[in-house]
Amino acid sequence: GAVVSQHPSWVICKSGTSVKIECRSLDFQATTMFWYRQFPKQSLMLMATSNEGSKATYEQGVEKDKFLINHASLTLSTLTVTSAHPEDSSFYICSATRLAGTDEQFFGPGTRLTVL
Amino acid sequence: DQQVKQNSPSLSVQEGRISILNCDYTNSMFDYFLWYKKYPAEGPTFLISISSIKDKNEDGRFTVFLNKSAKHLSLHIVPSQPGDSAVYFCAASVTGGYQKVTFGTGTKLQVIP
Repeated sequence: GAVVSQHPSWVICKSGTSVKIECRSLDFQATTMFWYRQFPKQSLMLMATSNEGSKATYEQGVEKDKFLINHASLTLSTLTVTSAHPEDSSFYICSATRLAGTDEQFFGPGTRLTVL
Repeated sequence: DQQVKQNSPSLSVQEGRISILNCDYTNSMFDYFLWYKKYPAEGPTFLISISSIKDKNEDGRFTVFLNKSAKHLSLHIVPSQPGDSAVYFCAASVTGGYQKVTFGTGTKLQVIP
């Protein structure tokens, strides 16, 4: 149990376009979902924390208007990278914590975004 | 500002020997430390953790040691197995739990058969 999926697993887009990444908890309800990004040879950096039905809490330095997070249900959160630019190219990983149980984070497999 | 550091980007160990992965931190407010394991194309999975009130936690082949005065922790894997080959992330939290963790940069462990 505690499987988190992400879609797509990789995406290539043109500069200026928007890209939506989905994060789903497949076999549990998630109270909280987290979005991270990872640049090559760097650590996972927390971007934002989202709870179902409420606005996401963004970490310092993360542009909320550029990285739109929607957490519409207890099993789905989406991250939209708006007007993507090459510097947004990165590996984006989501995680989720269960509705019932400990607050252990279960991670998705990640999405590789390349902006041309 | 990298608050959690893993200075060795990679490590190679012979099968059956001990693997020691190191991690240093700078924030004295961290009170909970975790190790995650990550295979290619998969998300990190929780491996083992330790609270700041302890200096050792053991789970099978995996043992984590914490030296608070040195702000250092290490993960020992013994005996190492080829299936242990992965990237290992050290992480720390000030909340005493799994949320709002700060990750290190990772160490890629290769266990040679």
